[in-house]
Amino acid sequence: AQSVTQLGSHVSVSEGALVLLRCNYSSSVPPYLFWYVQYPNQGLQLLLKYTTGATLVKGINGFEAEFKKSETSFHLTKPSAHMSDAAEYFCAVTGATNNDMRFGAGTRLTVKP
Amino acid sequence: ETGVTQSPTHLIKTRGQQVTLRCSSQSGHNTVSWYQQALGQGPQFIFQYYREEENGRGNFPPRFSGLQFPNYSSELNVNALELDDSALYLCASSTPRGLAVHEQFFGPGTRLTVL
Repeated sequence: AQSVTQLGSHVSVSEGALVLLRCNYSSSVPPYLFWYVQYPNQGLQLLLKYTTGATLVKGINGFEAEFKKSETSFHLTKPSAHMSDAAEYFCAVTGATNNDMRFGAGTRLTVKP
Repeated sequence: ETGVTQSPTHLIKTRGQQVTLRCSSQSGHNTVSWYQQALGQGPQFIFQYYREEENGRGNFPPRFSGLQFPNYSSELNVNALELDDSALYLCASSTPRGLAVHEQFFGPGTRLTVL
């Protein structure tokens, strides 16, 4: 069975500050990890994914995440927050068959001017 | 390239009724997954269809059923609606399993309200 836990349902940062959204996973098989973003009244958009290989993954809009197996973590970061980053962020995990993606509860990011 | 589309965008039903939600997958994708996203929560996996057959199911009762058609579009049917079925229903399409794991591309969702 697989699951993810997102620490912090709400995160607030100032524009230009570092963004750090935390995700820890549990998986009995090698995990494939994803970060999605959801804007109000919209579907989910993929930010980045980790499958195999390099543990530091770069995504769209300046986001990146590092897979740390020893810590079972896949935290999302961005060096400098922009107002347009305000949204709901979801971490997700699946296995090689990709037929049961498990999402975290989400973290709402607020960016203050 | 057309993305994932869902219809209708909004729907209001009463308890006990039945509902059908529709999804058209992205061009070239033959796998469709359905998720339920309750307000303030993350999406919960309902089931996945691959080549017109169910290929994995989450912890949802049998009154949640689905279909996939030869053109890879899909329907989600919910019978005997309950108040707790009120949610955003998301459809996602992806490329064939067995290859490298690809991301799932999500549609905008159907907002179902059960009164």
